[in-house]
Amino acid sequence: KQEVTQIPAALSVPEGENLVLNCSFTDSAIYNLQWFRQDPGKGLTSLLLIQSSQREQTSGRLNASLDKSSGRSTLYIAASQPGDSATYLCAVRPIDGQNFVFGPGTRLSVLP
Amino acid sequence: GAGVSQSPSNKVTEKGKDVELRCDPISGHTALYWYRQRLGQGLEFLIYFQGNSAPDKSGLPSDRFSAERTGESVSTLTIQRTQQEDSAVYLCASSSRQGVALETQYFGPGTRLLVL
Repeated sequence: KQEVTQIPAALSVPEGENLVLNCSFTDSAIYNLQWFRQDPGKGLTSLLLIQSSQREQTSGRLNASLDKSSGRSTLYIAASQPGDSATYLCAVRPIDGQNFVFGPGTRLSVLP
Repeated sequence: GAGVSQSPSNKVTEKGKDVELRCDPISGHTALYWYRQRLGQGLEFLIYFQGNSAPDKSGLPSDRFSAERTGESVSTLTIQRTQQEDSAVYLCASSSRQGVALETQYFGPGTRLLVL
């Protein structure tokens, strides 16, 4: 059974810092991995999707990498801003199932 | 439509009552998902609809939970005889089938359910 974990559970940094969020999954047989952002009281917003054949994806200040063989993904946020404060979730789409499996999230606070 | 919408946004009910939650997916999206998110926890898959195929109900926690979808449009999640443990945010997502590897889910704002 696929399990997804995220470290750290919570992170607080001063504005301007570069930071890395980690996601691990137990089964490397996946179609894709997706990073989401969740703001308090709101739904999820998709940030980046990495296909299993890809190594990384970039969007603005965000860069997500995927090492499928080791079951790891990282989300790199450059020059963090207070507006980046949110919970960041990663999810994998297993090959043997229809449904995404989500991690518990990392709660990020960027202090002005 | 502009995005996935859900109603109601908040629902408070008494233990033992039935509730219905509604999801309107993005027009043209063939896939629709329901998830549950308890306070401080990750998303828990409930049910998945894809076009006219039989839904994947493997995530439903008990027979008190059921869901329907009319064609490729609105879906309703029903919880019968609600329990306090059902209190959570119920999230709906939809996606268009561009190939599984390219599939991106778009989420609604959720329905916050509180069972007293």
